[in-house]
Amino acid sequence: RKEVEQDPGPFNVPEGATVAFNCTYSNSASQSFFWYRQDCRKEPKLLMSVYSSGNEDGRFTAQLNRASQYISLLIRDSKLSDSATYLCVVNSGGYQKVTFGTGTKLQVIP
Amino acid sequence: SQTIHQWPATLVQPVGSPLSLECTVEGTSNPNLYWYRQAAGRGLQLLFYSVGIGQISSEVPQNLSASRPQDRQFILSSKKLLLSDSGFYLCACPQGGGEGYTFGSGTRLTVV
Repeated sequence: RKEVEQDPGPFNVPEGATVAFNCTYSNSASQSFFWYRQDCRKEPKLLMSVYSSGNEDGRFTAQLNRASQYISLLIRDSKLSDSATYLCVVNSGGYQKVTFGTGTKLQVIP
Repeated sequence: SQTIHQWPATLVQPVGSPLSLECTVEGTSNPNLYWYRQAAGRGLQLLFYSVGIGQISSEVPQNLSASRPQDRQFILSSKKLLLSDSGFYLCACPQGGGEGYTFGSGTRLTVV
């Protein structure tokens, strides 16, 4: 089993739709979790951290389910500018134990 | 907040040629620095990390090496490139407060 797994997509959704991505991780001792956004041929940029209590930033909501070992990202009212690849990142302790998922591609369609 | 500069942005090199990619950091001192590679269809792979000048740890055996000659400078090198060295190379350092990483804009290397 991969340390971090994501559905590669693509998820093609119309503008205004709500879309959710999940990311599963294998190490139950994982400590911190993040979602990154990566535009085509660009570097990843931190979108949001994922806290145990869940967190929300505008149209974006991130949640952590430790029991089932997954994190989720919910995007409401999708915009064309949300089109990108979303990377799940899991830190199992220390800088050498940061694992990046391969990403989920989102395409928002007019 | 810190800023990471990487160059060049793109590079096409023949097999067997040497490589030198440079990363410099502004806005922080004594940062941990990392080199990642992102191959097509794959997640980011940690290649090297450095906690200070002259201190390099390698995560995977490979054809590449790294050096940290100055506090804010991190260099990725190869004496002879292989086709498998093609990829998107990213330099990173931790953001404050344990909130993930800041990445440089990356170098897209194609070995032909």
